[in-house]
Amino acid sequence: EAQVTQNPRYLITVTGKKLTVTCSQNMNHEYMSWYRQDPGLGLRQIYYSMNVEVTDKGDVPEGYKVSRKEKRNFPLILESPSPNQTSLYFCAAGGLGEQYFGPGTRLTVT
Amino acid sequence: GQNIDQPTEMTATEGAIVQINCTYQTSGFNGLFWYQQHAGEAPTFLSYNVLDGLEEKGRFSSFLSRSKGYSYLLLKELQMKDSASYLCAVRENNQGGKLIFGQGTELSVKP
Repeated sequence: EAQVTQNPRYLITVTGKKLTVTCSQNMNHEYMSWYRQDPGLGLRQIYYSMNVEVTDKGDVPEGYKVSRKEKRNFPLILESPSPNQTSLYFCAAGGLGEQYFGPGTRLTVT
Repeated sequence: GQNIDQPTEMTATEGAIVQINCTYQTSGFNGLFWYQQHAGEAPTFLSYNVLDGLEEKGRFSSFLSRSKGYSYLLLKELQMKDSASYLCAVRENNQGGKLIFGQGTELSVKP
């Protein structure tokens, strides 16, 4: 079964405490991407990766880092989280014509 | 600048047909996507258009006019389960993988 998995699904943390949200896909897709979704702002792309060791900024990359050391994994790193990073995060993987989204990670930064 | 516009909300009746419009102004174009998102869930892929014309997939069809910067999603034989948010997204050509989303159209299907 084609799958994109994210962990954790829910996280409450405090300002400044580094965290990583993992994303993994079993479909051998080259393209992976991270989004955040906020009420009234819709889905906004944070970073994307066209292949291993190739990453690029989306629309809202500030405060985030990513890495793509292997094809199946694309972790999202928040070095020093702040309350304005409280959001619903989605990872996605796909080919040229479609993307499959993970189930989402709801992050709260207090 | 980048801009993708969709109506915020629409209401339709079960069994009817509804058309959700999307207009876009982006710095490049390399395809337009439609996604469906039920409340509390992840978006699911519906369609992808890169050439002008109509793509039909069961009860759902999507149309693209690149010269007009316009697309629509057509849903036929509406069912209650079609109540969801419908997201239009454009892949910008000069950025390869950069994807810009509209804010989504919340569709309510009434009996």
